[in-house]
Amino acid sequence: DVKVTQSSRYLVKRTGEKVFLECVQDMDHENMFWYRQDPGLGLRLIYFSYDVKMKEKGDIPEGYSVSREKKERFSLILESASTNQTSMYLCASSPTIRPGQLFFGEGSRLTVL
Amino acid sequence: GENVEQHPSTLSVQEGDSAVIKCTYSDSASNYFPWYKQELGKRPQLIIDIRSNVGEKKDQRIAVTLNKTAKHFSLHITETQPEDSAVYFCAASGPSNFGNEKLTFGTGTRLTIIP
Repeated sequence: DVKVTQSSRYLVKRTGEKVFLECVQDMDHENMFWYRQDPGLGLRLIYFSYDVKMKEKGDIPEGYSVSREKKERFSLILESASTNQTSMYLCASSPTIRPGQLFFGEGSRLTVL
Repeated sequence: GENVEQHPSTLSVQEGDSAVIKCTYSDSASNYFPWYKQELGKRPQLIIDIRSNVGEKKDQRIAVTLNKTAKHFSLHITETQPEDSAVYFCAASGPSNFGNEKLTFGTGTRLTIIP
């Protein structure tokens, strides 16, 4: 079974703090993604990566950055958290042979006060 | 970029009846259309997908149809059961700036099966 693990299930941060969300997958997938899930807005793509040290902006990259130093790990960084970044963050991975078949982590619920 | 619209946002169906969820997409280059199911408190999981060279695909009680001309696709669930209650997301995959595929999701449909 593919396992995508997100380091924190629940986080509470203050406005202006730097936030790191970590994601690790164990299936040697080339592709990794960060989505944000909000009620009524579905899943919106923040950033994705098709290879180590490679990254591409998704649909809502503003206020976020990412890091992929190793194939199995993809980190999402909020340089200065704001209240409108309160959300559920979902990491996913997929193999190149089936790039649309995403395997999701359990999610990290971030609250910014 | 791609835009995916999904309807309805909520759907209540009597157990045993059928449920249909519809999506439209904007980018004619999109060629892969998966459906994900997210049960309460759990991660989304792929339940069925279809590629643009196929008009219909079936897997037991679920089926997906695709109309490329009209740019819409639908999920059909027959003989619904309580465990079908969940949020369902459609998605469309088109090329990114680097020529690789990326998924754009619809806004989701909360399906409730009434016993």
